[in-house]
Amino acid sequence: AQKITQTQPGMFVQEKEAVTLDCTYDTSDQSYGLFWYKQPSSGEMIFLIYQGSYDEQNATEGRYSLNFQKARKSANLVISASQLGDSAMYFCAMRDSGTGGYNKLIFGAGTRLAVHP
Amino acid sequence: SQTIHQWPATLVQPVGSPLSLECTVEGTSNPNLYWYRQAAGRGLQLLFYSVGIGQISSEVPQNLSASRPQDRQFILSSKKLLLSDSGFYLCAWRDRHPLERQYFGPGTRLTVL
Repeated sequence: AQKITQTQPGMFVQEKEAVTLDCTYDTSDQSYGLFWYKQPSSGEMIFLIYQGSYDEQNATEGRYSLNFQKARKSANLVISASQLGDSAMYFCAMRDSGTGGYNKLIFGAGTRLAVHP
Repeated sequence: SQTIHQWPATLVQPVGSPLSLECTVEGTSNPNLYWYRQAAGRGLQLLFYSVGIGQISSEVPQNLSASRPQDRQFILSSKKLLLSDSGFYLCAWRDRHPLERQYFGPGTRLTVL
């Protein structure tokens, strides 16, 4: 069965520094997608970045980058130049092809990031 | 652009009362729609998904049901709420290939007392 593991329940970072949030996954599929979402205290889930299993380059979106190590089955999120507004829960997720092509997302337990001034 | 709405935003209901949460999507047609539940401090668990009107699939047997009466409307219901139904309910729609990312609504926070 597919599984996402986020081993860091909480992380602290100083403003303007970079931080890495860990994510490992388990799947027997050859084709899969990995996502990172941000959930601020308001509760909305905000899409940050996507990495496809066949993508040769690590994904980047502004200050977010994904350190994709396929052989190690890890997809760590790197946030550069942290800002106070980055304080939130961060979820790693994997697309599960499932049956019928409905492509549900399997989520990790999340990491709570606190950015200190 | 696409927008997803959910209401109500918050809800406090007594045990045994009925439930109806609504989700509507604008700016897209025939979307795949999803209902997720998030328990406090936890990740999201898929409850239901729908690929079209009247087509509902359940992920986890439970006290809840879902319906899709219109193309862009997805409803989550219960006849009798349990304490364990408390949580944050999120509706999502799915982008097209290749990313197939899911976009989430603002959520409904349900407290069952």
